[in-house]
Amino acid sequence: KQEVTQIPAALSVPEGENLVLNCSFTDSAIYNLQWFRQDPGKGLTSLLLIQSSQREQTSGRLNASLDKSSGRSTLYIAASQPGDSATYLCAVIHGATNKLIFGTGTLLAVQP
Amino acid sequence: EAGVAQSPRYKIIEKRQSVAFWCNPISGHATLYWYQQILGQGPKLLIQFQNNGVVDDSQLPKDRFSAERLKGVDSTLKIQPAKLEDSAVYLCASSLEIGPYEQYFGPGTRLTVT
Repeated sequence: KQEVTQIPAALSVPEGENLVLNCSFTDSAIYNLQWFRQDPGKGLTSLLLIQSSQREQTSGRLNASLDKSSGRSTLYIAASQPGDSATYLCAVIHGATNKLIFGTGTLLAVQP
Repeated sequence: EAGVAQSPRYKIIEKRQSVAFWCNPISGHATLYWYQQILGQGPKLLIQFQNNGVVDDSQLPKDRFSAERLKGVDSTLKIQPAKLEDSAVYLCASSLEIGPYEQYFGPGTRLTVT
């Protein structure tokens, strides 16, 4: 059974700091890994999608890496801003089920 | 391009009452998903449709939850009767096809059962 874990559960940093969010999964038979952002009371916004054949994806100040063999992904946020404050979720599409399996999220607070 | 639409945005009901949620996916998207997100947890898939057929409903509590997708477009999710533990955000998502395609999420419906 695929399990997705995110560490840390919560993180508070001062504005301008670079930070890394971690995601690990137990079964490496995945098609994609996707990072989402969720603001309070809102739905999910897709940030980056990494296909299983890729090692990383970049969008602006965000960079996500994927290491299937070790079952790990990281989301790197450069020069953090208060507007980055949100919950960040990673999810994998498992090879056998074709459905998204989510981690429990990291709650990020960027202090001005 | 219009996104995934959901209504209502908020709903408060008493336990044992019934409730229904509506979802309109992105035009042309064949696959539709309903997720349940309990506070402090990641979303969990309840049911997945491909056009108007059910692909996966293994985690749907079928004694009280039901869902349909008539004509392969809009979908409704119903809970009858509701329990306190059903309090959650119900998210609808759609993707172009079944498989490793990007899923697009609606704003969700926040349900509170008292």
